[in-house]
Order: sequence, then C-alpha cells, then structure tokens
Amino acid sequence: NAGVTQTPKFQVLKTGQSMTLQCAQDMNHEYMSWYRQDPGMGLRLIHYSVGAGITDQGEVPNGYNVSRSTTEDFPLRLLSAAPSQTSVYFCASSSPRGVNTEAFFGQGTRLTVV
Amino acid sequence: GEDVEQSLFLSVREGDSSVINCTYTDSSSTYLYWYKQEPGAGLQLLTYIFSNMDMKQDQRLTVLLNKKDKHLSLRIADTQTGDSAIYFCAETPRQAGTALIFGKGTTLSVSS
Repeated sequence: NAGVTQTPKFQVLKTGQSMTLQCAQDMNHEYMSWYRQDPGMGLRLIHYSVGAGITDQGEVPNGYNVSRSTTEDFPLRLLSAAPSQTSVYFCASSSPRGVNTEAFFGQGTRLTVV
Repeated sequence: GEDVEQSLFLSVREGDSSVINCTYTDSSSTYLYWYKQEPGAGLQLLTYIFSNMDMKQDQRLTVLLNKKDKHLSLRIADTQTGDSAIYFCAETPRQAGTALIFGKGTTLSVSS
C-alpha cells in the first residue's frame, strides 16, 4: 500500500530555476491538495483539486501552478524559484465518501532555494 | 476569514495528562481533526470528531468539542515520551473532504 508518494524527498534549487514536485496517490481519492510548512506557521494551503480537471487556489498560491489531468497525479510547479519558497511541501489526498474523510499525507519534499 | 488558533508549546511530565486546546472560526465545519507530526515525518491522523458530537474517546485520547465557543481540545491521558510531537488542529470549512485549514501546531514535550 503506497498511499501518497511524493518525489523528490529533498531538492536544492538556484533562484530563478523551475521544477515540478510530484505527488501520486493510489487510493482513487478525488481530493488532492498541496501545503507548505514553515517554522511557526503550521501548514498553509497552496492549491487543491476536487477531481481530475478541476483545481483551485488556496491561501498562498502565488509562484505555484498545478494541474490535475488524472485522478492519481497532482504535480506542483515552481515556475521561477525564490528563496521565500524554501519550505517543506506536503501533498495530501482524501475522499468525500469515507466515514471521516481522513486526509492522507505524503512524507514531504524539503526544498531549499539558494 | 478562516483561522485556527493553538498554543505553540506544552511541556508535561511522563504519566501526566496533556491538554491541547484549539479555537476555530468556521461553524460550518463538518469534521474537526487532530493530526500528529513526529520529527522529520509527514502528518498522521490521530483522531477526529464530527460536528454534532460533544465528546469522543479513543483509548488514551479524549476530544471535547464546544460548538458554541468554537473550542476543541485534545486530552492525552498517561502521556508517554513517545507522545512528544507537534499536534495540529484542523477544520474543513468547505464541504467535507476538501482541503483542511490547520492551526500552527502545538509542540508537546514530554520529560521523564
């Protein structure tokens, strides 16, 4: 049971570089979301999706793009990395049909922008 | 706007009870959650409560919900050193199952 898989686990980027953080889930969940975690800030929602082809912005969407072409995958793109995007990124998935709509989290991607 | 507030730190002795408090803003939240994060790891669902409940007990964990005051608490009985972690309160202000809004997390430190 893989659950939610995030890759890579660690990444260092130079300012201005672009990259894609990958997230895949094998639980056939409709809902997927991306969060960033910064010290003393908790988890803040970046983007979320309620199904394939549907995405929406969260609390801190600037500098990030997402797409949801399949149920399984929800990649997060940084178009031009900035030091302010240094953070730990978590992907999560859930289903509205579950008893408690539990969100399952990946292990995180630690990103450093220099 | 949506906001979830928690105290940032709690320190207890092993064997004592821990109580972590949370206030939330959206009365339409269907579920309220407690997640646990151990160092270097992702988040794991600890327990949850449905909004029409006042209390839920699950082994050493007791969740109390006061909807009038929008106050949620998590009590851990007989706290162990393995309970040391960051605990996040979260709500679902939109329809159940969509993205969660988290508090900043309470760091629980358990000393032996």
